[in-house]
Amino acid sequence: GENVEQHPSTLSVQEGDSAVIKCTYSDSASNYFPWYKQELGKRPQLIIDIRSNVGEKKDQRIAVTLNKTAKHFSLHITETQPEDSAVYFCAATAFGNEKLTFGTGTRLTIIP
Amino acid sequence: GAVVSQHPSRVICKSGTSVKIECRSLDFQATTMFWYRQFPKQSLMLMATSNEGSKATYEQGVEKDKFLINHASLTLSTLTVTSAHPEDSSFYICSASVPTAGYTFGSGTRLTVV
Repeated sequence: GENVEQHPSTLSVQEGDSAVIKCTYSDSASNYFPWYKQELGKRPQLIIDIRSNVGEKKDQRIAVTLNKTAKHFSLHITETQPEDSAVYFCAATAFGNEKLTFGTGTRLTIIP
Repeated sequence: GAVVSQHPSRVICKSGTSVKIECRSLDFQATTMFWYRQFPKQSLMLMATSNEGSKATYEQGVEKDKFLINHASLTLSTLTVTSAHPEDSSFYICSASVPTAGYTFGSGTRLTVV
């Protein structure tokens, strides 16, 4: 089955700087890669996703890049703000399979 | 958008008792529901996949006789933790895939077994 690795496990950045979180996946059939933000005790919230037919997607301060050949994808957050502090999870699945496999998570702390 | 309503949000039960968690799809039909468990400071781990009208598929290492899943209708899936023990204390969350819209998650259930 799919295996998703995520790095780093913790990340602290100064407010206003950029944060980058990286994930690798194992199943070449995976074609959908969402990123979630989870606050303590809450459900994961989708912040951005990308499908395998594109290499990059951007939504304001958030962007995701995908390298299908290397089987890795990354989350980029620019101009970080204190409210960006949370745990972020990457995930992967192959539509048709539908099972969503999560990465191990990154605790992002924005230092004011 | 597509919403999954999950209840209860928190439950405390005595060791040896059973607890039922419900997930309802409010404005769409969920033929498949995914059940996850999340221990503190860990990731979401898929426990089982339930399909309406058929038996659930359990992930390796998950006891099907302990975690009973029922998906009797297109809008309701339930997870029953039987003979709960303190090690079953966790955050349980359901999720459904929504055509062309990704996945929607329930609000989660914090189970504490004392």
